Amino acid sequence: GENVEQHPSTLSVQEGDSAVIKCTYSDSASNYFPWYKQELGKGPQLIIDIRSNVGEKKDQRIAVTLNKTAKHFSLHITETQPEDSAVYFCAAMYNNNDMRFGAGTRLTVKP
Amino acid sequence: GAGVSQSPSNKVTEKGKDVELRCDPISGHTALYWYRQSLGQGLEFLIYFQGNSAPDKSGLPSDRFSAERTGGSVSTLTIQRTQQEDSAVYLCASSLEIGGTDTQYFGPGTRLTVL
Repeated sequence: GENVEQHPSTLSVQEGDSAVIKCTYSDSASNYFPWYKQELGKGPQLIIDIRSNVGEKKDQRIAVTLNKTAKHFSLHITETQPEDSAVYFCAAMYNNNDMRFGAGTRLTVKP
Repeated sequence: GAGVSQSPSNKVTEKGKDVELRCDPISGHTALYWYRQSLGQGLEFLIYFQGNSAPDKSGLPSDRFSAERTGGSVSTLTIQRTQQEDSAVYLCASSLEIGGTDTQYFGPGTRLTVL
């Protein structure tokens, strides 16, 4: 089955700096890669996703890149703000219904 | 519109008791997923329902766990004879249809504590 690894587990940046979180996956058949943001006491919320036929996607300060050959994808947050502080999860969907999640990255943005 | 709702938000139970967790998916969503999130851990897939098809139970950790989805809408996750290691946040998500391309929307979760 699919195995998703996520790094780093914790990340601390200064407000205004960029943050990058990286994930790798094992099953080349995986075709959908969402990123979720989870704030304390809440369920994960989708922030951006990318499908396997696209190499990059951007939405304002958030971007995701996908390298299918290397089987890794990354989340990039630019001009970070304190409200970006949360736990971020990457995920890979394979076999049409099975979503496997990374272990999460706790991002802290210091004002 | 209304998102995915779950109840209760918190549940404290004694070891050995049975618990039922409820999920109300977004109206019209045919796919429903249950996940478990242990403290400081990622999300662990438990079970998935799609329409009237037999559920994919491949993620259920033991036979003490079961789930139902009545009428293709509301789902209940039942844990029998709870153990302390069952303590976690149980998250439900729904999506419009299966196919690996539809966004999953998560509920707020039920925090289960087994004493």
